[in-house]
Parts: sequence; structure tokens; C-alpha cells
Amino acid sequence: IQLTQSPSSLSASVGDRVTITCRASQGITSYLAWYQQKPGKAPKLLIYATSTLQSGVSSRFSGSGSGTYFTLTISSLQPEDFATYYCQQHNSYPLTFGQGTRLEIK
Amino acid sequence: EVQLVQSGAEVKKPGESLKISCKGSGYRFTSYWIGWVRQMPGKGLEWMGIIYPGDSDTRYSPSFQGQVTISVDKSINTAHLQWSSLKASDTAMYYCTRGEYYLNYWGQGTLVTVSS
Repeated sequence: IQLTQSPSSLSASVGDRVTITCRASQGITSYLAWYQQKPGKAPKLLIYATSTLQSGVSSRFSGSGSGTYFTLTISSLQPEDFATYYCQQHNSYPLTFGQGTRLEIK
Repeated sequence: EVQLVQSGAEVKKPGESLKISCKGSGYRFTSYWIGWVRQMPGKGLEWMGIIYPGDSDTRYSPSFQGQVTISVDKSINTAHLQWSSLKASDTAMYYCTRGEYYLNYWGQGTLVTVSS
């Protein structure tokens, strides 16, 4: 299952609301996760099953979608949110990731 | 506290073998799947495969089947990723992860550099 994220990169300001999209090549019901990766660090799970927030993750992050179209929204960007974001389908093996969206400070 | 601690960076020559490790602590090691994710320099994440320490059931991505071996030593709560003959294209950061479907814990990564 191929996942395509858009945009590939995004410039935004602190306080902005941003949305990243992930499209699957076939239906994955609601089995989609989102990760955040900062330079030189391991990825961190933010959301799984489309909209379930991982413990300890800020409520600024939210996810929605189903089938083949999913979104990650950050409601009010904070300085620590500038990173690369990946979607990952957990509907079937092999697990696959999107190519990533780099979120930069404007 | 759940922790996955990986072995240190490696520098190898093409054709050499290598085994890297990931030690789990803070949870029942035999009850959770452990997997591996590759990240080539400047690139995205690629899922390689997973193993269930309880019975060593293993699943590989077709892209990595036959290229690597995933194993586990549950007596020391450690999973391994190994190569029998490294190639320059194996140069990457390798992360171990916990989770059968979504990956809620990650190791710090092991950088493998393959160069003549």
C-alpha cells in the first residue's frame, strides 16, 4: 500500500493552523498513524488509528479521515512543532510510510 | 519506563557481516513485537520487519526478505538485525521499534556506514 503525503514541505508561522494530507493507494479503513521526527532524533508516535492521540501528546495535534484520505492538523503551531511528519498505514503488512512532510518556520 | 537501547555505530567494509542489537527494558519483553525501520541518509522511513520474542514468529517486508535476518534472544531481552554481506547501499540509520502495527516506542538508532 503506497502512501502519498502533501505537501512535501510547508512553511508556516508560530500560531498558524496547518494541515498535512496523506492518501493511500487503497482503502485502509481507519488504520493510519502519524509520527513526528526532529533532526537527529528517532521518530515519535503522535496519533494512531486515524485519530487516537498517543499518551502524552499535545491536544494541538488531531487526525481525521477514513478509507484512502487522511489529515493531520496542528491547531496552533508552537516552536517545538517544526519537524518532519510521516504517516504510516497499519492496516496490513508490509507496514508502509508516506514520504514525509517537512514543516519549516516561515 | 519502557526503553529500547540500541548498540553503537558501526563502520564496515562491503562484503563484511554485521549484527546490531536492541535491548528492551521496563516491560515484559516476550509480550510485544519488536521491529526494525531503516532510514537512509536524508530519506524517509522504511519498515523492514518484526519479530515476536515469545515464539520468534517473524515477518519481513518483501523489500528486505532475504537481505537481512531478524532474530531475538529472549534470555537477555534483546533483538538483533543482521547482514551476512553488507553493501554500500546498506548505509543508513536503523531504528528498532516496539509494536505490531503502530510503533509506539523507538530505540535511539544505530548508524551503519558501509564504505571501502
